[in-house]
Amino acid sequence: GAVVSQHPSRVICKSGTSVKIECRSLDFQATTMFWYRQFPKQSLMLMATSNEGSKATYEQGVEKDKFLINHASLTLSTLTVTSAHPEDSSFYICSARGWTGDGYTFGSGTRLTVV
Amino acid sequence: DQQVKQNSPSLSVQEGRISILNCDYTNSMFDYFLWYKKYPAEGPTFLISISSIKDKNEDGRFTVFLNKSAKHLSLHIVPSQPGDSAVYFCAARGERNYGQNFVFGPGTRLSVLP
Repeated sequence: GAVVSQHPSRVICKSGTSVKIECRSLDFQATTMFWYRQFPKQSLMLMATSNEGSKATYEQGVEKDKFLINHASLTLSTLTVTSAHPEDSSFYICSARGWTGDGYTFGSGTRLTVV
Repeated sequence: DQQVKQNSPSLSVQEGRISILNCDYTNSMFDYFLWYKKYPAEGPTFLISISSIKDKNEDGRFTVFLNKSAKHLSLHIVPSQPGDSAVYFCAARGERNYGQNFVFGPGTRLSVLP
C-alpha cells in the first residue's frame, strides 16, 4: 500500500531557530502533498497545499514566510518553520494522495516543541 | 464557522457492541466524505469513504451511511474491538481546489471497553 514517511517524529528547538520537516512518499509519486497542523484537542487544520515544481498554496491566516514549503520532487516535500516561537509548538502532519485514489495517506506526524 | 461537525467529543462502547459515530456538515457542495482514525502521536489512517451518489458503503466491520438531505453521515463499527479505541475524524471535500482540499471535523474519541 501507499506509504508516506515523515521525519523527524519529534523535535525540540530553541526559540528563534529554524526547523525542517520532511515528508516522503515511499512507493508512489505524489504530485500534491498537504501540510496540516493539529493543536491539542483540536482537529487537523490544513496549512498549505504543495504541488511539485510550483509554489505552495497557503490557507488563509498561514504565514508563507514563516512556514516555507518546498516540493522539489515527486516524492519529497519539506516544511521549514523559520524563526520558531513557542506558539509554533504543535503537531505537524503531511499527507499525499494515495495510489488507490481513494482517500489520502498521512505521514506519522512531527511533534515540534519550541523552548 | 465549522463546516464539518462531530458533536460528540467522546463515546464509550462495550467490546462486541456497535459503535456509531456521527458527523454533520453544512456545505451542500460537499460531495465526497472520508473517515479517518488517529492514534495519539501518529498520523491519521484512512478508513472508509463515500461519495454523494451513494447512501451506504461497507468495508468489513466499517459501514458509512450518508443522508444528503439531512447533511449527515455516520460510521458504524460492528463488532467493536478494543483496538478500535482512537479518535475518529470525519472529513469532507472542500468546494475550493475540487478534489484536493478536505475539511476535517473536530473528532470523536472512541473508547471500546473490554
